[in-house]
Amino acid sequence: NAGVTQTPKFQVLKTGQSMTLQCAQDMNHNSMYWYRQDPGMGLRLIYYSASEGTTDKGEVPNGYNVSRLNKREFSLRLESAAPSQTSVYFCASSSVHGSGANVLTFGAGSRLTVL
Amino acid sequence: AQSVSQHNHHVILSEAASLELGCNYSYGGTVNLFWYVQYPGQHLQLLLKYFSGDPLVKGIKGFEAEFIKSKFSFNLRKPSVQWSDTAEYFCAVPSPGYSSASKIIFGSGTRLSIRP
Repeated sequence: NAGVTQTPKFQVLKTGQSMTLQCAQDMNHNSMYWYRQDPGMGLRLIYYSASEGTTDKGEVPNGYNVSRLNKREFSLRLESAAPSQTSVYFCASSSVHGSGANVLTFGAGSRLTVL
Repeated sequence: AQSVSQHNHHVILSEAASLELGCNYSYGGTVNLFWYVQYPGQHLQLLLKYFSGDPLVKGIKGFEAEFIKSKFSFNLRKPSVQWSDTAEYFCAVPSPGYSSASKIIFGSGTRLSIRP
């Protein structure tokens, strides 16, 4: 049981380049998320997808796009990378507890550096 | 909008010391509350959660947290820390208005360093 798998683990980009971070989960979870982690800022939600076919903006969506390709996969795209997007990106998926609350399972993270 | 505050950015303790990490949230309605932990080189994992019932919840590795509704707090505690508790700790809460589509917001994190 792999859980949540992210690729790539590391990436270096030049300003203006584009790239896609891939995320897949094998736990049959409905909801998926993309967060970025920066020192002193904690985790900030970029986009999330409550279910297949839906996506919503989080706290810091500017400069990013997402695609919920199917129930398993949720990708994050940077169309024109900027140095401010240097960060560690985490994908997560969630199961819904009986109370309606979601418990997150995280991937290992993708470290992106934009020069 | 919901917000989560963790006021302790970096805490340094000696082994066997007691730990309390603060977490305050802004929304006063029904809440579900979480603590996640990130050990060095590992990805985030759930430490404990509060959904309802007993406001004192137990988590893994001897951690516990108390939900105090009147103070909008969910502080994490451990009576005696170990070197292996060195990690970054995050408090999290869903934004109000979202149920099964939970938009989950995290605090800024507290880095805990334990001196052997």
